[in-house]
Amino acid sequence: EVPLVESGGGLVQPGGSLRLSCVASGFSFSGSWMNWVRQAPGKGLEWVANIKPDGSERSHVDNVKGRFTVSRDNAKNSLYLQMNSLTVEDTAVYYCAAWGPENSNYWGLGALVSVSS
Amino acid sequence: DVVLTQSPLSLPVTLGQPASISCTSTQGLVFRTGDTWLSWYHQRPGQSPRRLIYDVSKRDSGVPDRFSGSGSGTDFTLKISRVEAEDVGVYYCMQHTHWPHTFGQGTKLEI
Repeated sequence: EVPLVESGGGLVQPGGSLRLSCVASGFSFSGSWMNWVRQAPGKGLEWVANIKPDGSERSHVDNVKGRFTVSRDNAKNSLYLQMNSLTVEDTAVYYCAAWGPENSNYWGLGALVSVSS
Repeated sequence: DVVLTQSPLSLPVTLGQPASISCTSTQGLVFRTGDTWLSWYHQRPGQSPRRLIYDVSKRDSGVPDRFSGSGSGTDFTLKISRVEAEDVGVYYCMQHTHWPHTFGQGTKLEI
C-alpha cells in the first residue's frame, strides 16, 4: 500500500493555476508535518513548502511565496498545494512527503506539473 | 539560506568496495534543542526518494547496516561499507534545522 498518493498534475500554460492533492493512508496523517518537495527534469530535489500537523503554521520557499499555498484537511487525510501564476521554472515532479511520528518518513510517487505554452 | 555542498558529485565504485559522500553546510545544523536535523536520502532512477539516515546517524527501519552516517556542526558523511548493485542512484543530504529546508546537489553513485 502506497502511503501517499498525489493527484492534480498536468499541463498548464504560463500564468495558469493548478491544485495538487495528496491523500495519506496507513499512518498518522494528523500527527505529521507534511511537505511538498519538487524535482525539475534531470535536476535535484527542492523543498517547496510544509505545514504543521494542526495546520497552524506553514512555510514556503522564497521563489514560490505569494504564488503557492500549502494547506491540509486532517479530516480527509489530505494535503494540498494551490499553485498560481505558474512559470516554466515550476515544471517538475511534485512529491508529497510526511515527517511523521516516531521519526517516520513517507513519500508519494509524485505528480508531474508541466508549464508550457 | 543554508547551502549544502556534496562531494563528490559523481562516485564510480566497485561492487564490494566502500564508498563515502561528504556534505558540508554553510551554517551549523544544531537546533536550539541540541538536535541536528541532517538526513540522507537515496533515489533510484524513476523512483521517489527514500530516507536512509536521519538525525545525522540514525538508520531508518529496513536500511542495511552497511549504511552509516556521521558528523557534527557543518561537516557530515554518509558511508557505505560494501557497495551492492542495488545502491546505484543519487544520494542527497538534507537539513531541516533552518528555514527553508535545503538539499545538497546530489551525488550519483555508479557501479
